[in-house]
Amino acid sequence: GQNIDQPTEMTATEGAIVQINCTYQTSGFNGLFWYQQHAGEAPTFLSYNVLDGLEEKGRFSSFLSRSKGYSYLLLKELQMKDSASYLCALGGGGNKLTFGTGTQLKVEL
Amino acid sequence: DTAVSQTPKYLVTQMGNDKSIKCEQNLGHDTMYWYKQDSKKFLKIMFSYNNKELIINETVPNRFSPKSPDKAHLNLHINSLELGDSAVYFCASSQGAQREGQETQYFGPGTRLLVL
Repeated sequence: GQNIDQPTEMTATEGAIVQINCTYQTSGFNGLFWYQQHAGEAPTFLSYNVLDGLEEKGRFSSFLSRSKGYSYLLLKELQMKDSASYLCALGGGGNKLTFGTGTQLKVEL
Repeated sequence: DTAVSQTPKYLVTQMGNDKSIKCEQNLGHDTMYWYKQDSKKFLKIMFSYNNKELIINETVPNRFSPKSPDKAHLNLHINSLELGDSAVYFCASSQGAQREGQETQYFGPGTRLLVL
């Protein structure tokens, strides 16, 4: 099976940088995805990694280390609208996404 | 210009009833999915179809039956609804399933089901 862990909650200040970690134990996966979900809304795609290293997309970056079973999502220049749940997911056979429990991020003034 | 749409958005019903949720995507994608998000916000896959063919069928009670009349539609029928079925059900789609585990999935707005 797969086990994906994320911190339950994080709080950060507007304008700051925050790193949301995701650790996993799995027999294998093809891609690691990050989704953002605002309360009462659908998950929306942010970033994904296939190879080790950093993928940068504007204010959002995602990092993967397969040898360490670890990924993180980095959010820069935080804005109030970034307050949301951030979901880490592993992509596997049949394109199945297995999600972590999600991290609820609160951005404060 | 909605990409993935679901109806209804809200569904309140009594235990024991049968209900259906519909999903449509206009992205030209080949693969569609159903996910369930429980009260603790944990999102779990239920089914996937690729070009009308069932690909993923997770450990879901057989009261849940997906149907894909064409590759742009994936419906979910639930028989004999139970209290534990209360959740948000999300439909999603992706370009295909060729790049296994690497295809980005796009989610619909969700259907909030409450069983009383």
